[in-house]
Amino acid sequence: NAGVTQTPKFQVLKTGQSMTLQCAQDMNHEYMSWYRQDPGMGLRLIHYSVGAGITDQGEVPNGYNVSRSTTEDFPLRLLSAAPSQTSVYFCASSPGTSGRNRDEQFFGPGTRLTVL
Amino acid sequence: ELKVEQNPLFLSMQEGKNYTIYCNYSTTSDRLYWYRQDPGKSLESLFVLLSNGAVKQEGRLMASLDTKARLSTLHITAAVHDLSATYFCAVVRSYNTDKLIFGTGTRLQVFP
Repeated sequence: NAGVTQTPKFQVLKTGQSMTLQCAQDMNHEYMSWYRQDPGMGLRLIHYSVGAGITDQGEVPNGYNVSRSTTEDFPLRLLSAAPSQTSVYFCASSPGTSGRNRDEQFFGPGTRLTVL
Repeated sequence: ELKVEQNPLFLSMQEGKNYTIYCNYSTTSDRLYWYRQDPGKSLESLFVLLSNGAVKQEGRLMASLDTKARLSTLHITAAVHDLSATYFCAVVRSYNTDKLIFGTGTRLQVFP
């Protein structure tokens, strides 16, 4: 099991460029989430999905789009990058089925994004 | 809206000493998680606390949950340098959506 994988690990963009951060999991988890981590602010939820075809907004969704066409993949799209989106992005998945640990998140290695 | 607060935000402690990190949250929840993050790395799950009074221990770390007080503690016993990391608590926002809301983290530094 690779767990949760993310690509790329590092990315530098210019203001206004668009890009997609990739996330995949091989644990057959129903739930997937995207977080951003900024110094002194912990992790903030951007978007999440409770299953293929179902997505919803988190705390800080503006400037980002997601889709979930398969259980395994949950890409995050930056539509027009801004310097305020410079951050470390983590993708996570959780089982989501009934069970005591259903919302325990398993994290990918992260993508460090810089927007100039 | 669920808010999760941790204190202290930064903790510098000597090896061998004991200390406690606190996690307060603002609305009802009965599921709380503790994570560890090493510098430049991802988050690793430490503890899952699923009911009032739950206590979990792993090595020098012990976590507890008081849902009535909306408080979780992470107690460090006889700290060692290897425990230096940032620790996050995360609380489930509601019973249906299973969204986790994270605290701001406590950066722990253990020195000789």
